[in-house]
Amino acid sequence: SQTIHQWPATLVQPVGSPLSLECTVEGTSNPNLYWYRQAAGRGLQLLFYSVGIGQISSEVPQNLSASRPQDRQFILSSKKLLLSDSGFYLCAWRRATSGYTFGSGTRLTVV
Amino acid sequence: LAKTTQPISMDSYEGQEVNITCSHNNIATNDYITWYQQFPSQGPRFIIQGYKTKVTNEVASLFIPADRKSSTLSLPRVSLSDTAVYYCLVGDMGDSNYQLIWGAGTKLIIKP
Repeated sequence: SQTIHQWPATLVQPVGSPLSLECTVEGTSNPNLYWYRQAAGRGLQLLFYSVGIGQISSEVPQNLSASRPQDRQFILSSKKLLLSDSGFYLCAWRRATSGYTFGSGTRLTVV
Repeated sequence: LAKTTQPISMDSYEGQEVNITCSHNNIATNDYITWYQQFPSQGPRFIIQGYKTKVTNEVASLFIPADRKSSTLSLPRVSLSDTAVYYCLVGDMGDSNYQLIWGAGTKLIIKP
């Protein structure tokens, strides 16, 4: 069966510090991978998606970047965090004709 | 990308059937309708998906009228653990690049 791992669960980082969130998928190959951010009480906002190794599409201009160094690995990064980067970050995967499977999420607080 | 409209919140009681309706007036021919459930500090979880008429699985039913401009998620005999946010999404499942527009969802509160 397919599983998705996302870590860490919570993170508190100072303003200006770097960020690296990692997501890995098991049990499937060539998945479409997604990074979402969710503000409190709001719906999910798509940040990045990838349809293959090294292929990244950005939906929202921001202080973040994404990379896909391996087929089942998706990384969200920032060189210098801003207060506005705080939120709940979710990694997800999907194959054609199926719904999304989400990771457990990372609660990021920038202080 | 089809936009959806749902009630912001709903209340119900344990043992009742709950129906949450979603409006998607500009749904496209290739679009499917998918519902997700989200608990606090967790990722959304797939509930059910359909294209037209009625779909039923072990946790819910999805009713879609002929014009497909709306859909209704039906949760039979809810319990306190069904308290969550429910999202209705519309998108072309066959398009590997499709993205969904996530609204604020419907916050369902089940009371004893």
